[in-house]
Amino acid sequence: DQQVKQNSPSLSVQEGRISILNCDYTNSMFDYFLWYKKYPAEGPTFLISISSIKDKNEDGRFTVFLNKSAKHLSLHIVPSQPGDSAVYFCAARSDNYGQNFVFGPGTRLSVLP
Amino acid sequence: DVKVTQSSRYLVKRTGEKVFLECVQDMDHENMFWYRQDPGLGLRLIYFSYDVKMKEKGDIPEGYSVSREKKERFSLILESASTNQTSMYLCASVRGYKGVAGYNEQFFGPGTRLTVL
Repeated sequence: DQQVKQNSPSLSVQEGRISILNCDYTNSMFDYFLWYKKYPAEGPTFLISISSIKDKNEDGRFTVFLNKSAKHLSLHIVPSQPGDSAVYFCAARSDNYGQNFVFGPGTRLSVLP
Repeated sequence: DVKVTQSSRYLVKRTGEKVFLECVQDMDHENMFWYRQDPGLGLRLIYFSYDVKMKEKGDIPEGYSVSREKKERFSLILESASTNQTSMYLCASVRGYKGVAGYNEQFFGPGTRLTVL
């Protein structure tokens, strides 16, 4: 049973608009969440993270929101650019749970010019 | 510029062959990981290591083994390759102590696309 879920396999957005990628988790022990971006034939690269003591973290065009009660986080990209087209993975971890990072299945974002 | 490198970007092997995938990181990280990525399944953890000569099974260790003789190097071994091991293999490392990664992000290598015929 997947502990980290990304229920949208794909998303298409017009250039300049907002992209919202969603992630849900089931394990309440997770206390650190990360987003990674992956281009084809490359390894994932770290994008942004948030710890459970916060509900928002912002870095330039990227903002991550965390709703602990709903066990839900989202990544907002504003404005979206064609170079943002990639697969986005949500990941979660906890030192109490173990040193592993648990990844979601990914969402493929396409930003259309 | 910090780096995780993997020995091959593309590899084609025959069923039954022994396959070695090498990963090297230059960040002096304690923790290293091997994942495989398959469409719709995300990244699944095969093995990880938090110290030299230490290894722990991940979620899908069957058919794989690992070796960590030096801190910077983590090798994945397919003892007898099978067609269902055709996949993208990703190595990652993260700063930590005794397996605890804290609030640090993983750094990934570029991946090895393995095809087993």
